Amino acid sequence: GENVEQHPSTLSVQEGDSAVIKCTYSDSASNYFPWYKQELGKRPQLIIDIRSNVGEKKDQRIAVTLNKTAKHFSLHITETQPEDSAVYFCAASVAYSGAGSYQLTFGKGTKLSVIP
Amino acid sequence: NAGVTQTPKFQVLKTGQSMTLQCAQDMNHEYMSWYRQDPGMGLRLIHYSVGAGITDQGEVPNGYNVSRSTTEDFPLRLLSAAPSQTSVYFCASSTVYEQYFGPGTRLTVT
Repeated sequence: GENVEQHPSTLSVQEGDSAVIKCTYSDSASNYFPWYKQELGKRPQLIIDIRSNVGEKKDQRIAVTLNKTAKHFSLHITETQPEDSAVYFCAASVAYSGAGSYQLTFGKGTKLSVIP
Repeated sequence: NAGVTQTPKFQVLKTGQSMTLQCAQDMNHEYMSWYRQDPGMGLRLIHYSVGAGITDQGEVPNGYNVSRSTTEDFPLRLLSAAPSQTSVYFCASSTVYEQYFGPGTRLTVT
């Protein structure tokens, strides 16, 4: 089955600096790569995702890049703010259009702390 | 539109007891799943369902049963609780690409 490795496990940055979290996956058939943010005591929430036909996607201060050849993808957060402090999870899956079924395999998470 | 709801929010069980964690969604999603979250382990898939009457095992299914009699509901049953099942449990429903998580159930087994 799929295996997703995520690094680093903890990351501290100064407010305003950039943060980068990296993930690798093992199943070359995986074609969908979401990132979730989980604040303390809350549910995971999708912040950005990328599909295998795209190499990069941006949404304001966050961006995700995908290298299918190397089987790795990364989350980039620019101009970090204290409210970005949370645990971030990457995930990978093989998604089937039409049928609506897929399984997510998650990385173990990165605890990001943004220091004011 | 409540999204995904879970009950209870907190539960304490004694070893050997059984219970059912409830999950319901009102988004008419065919796909639903159950995850457990343990410190440092991320979210691990327990069971999932691709539609009413269809369920399958995920990564960590032992000790758990599920059924899906309606599109809306996907309960998770612990048959004989063990301390190793102490965890936070999240139910999710999804479109093809996006999973929507419920608020979670924090379960402690003593």
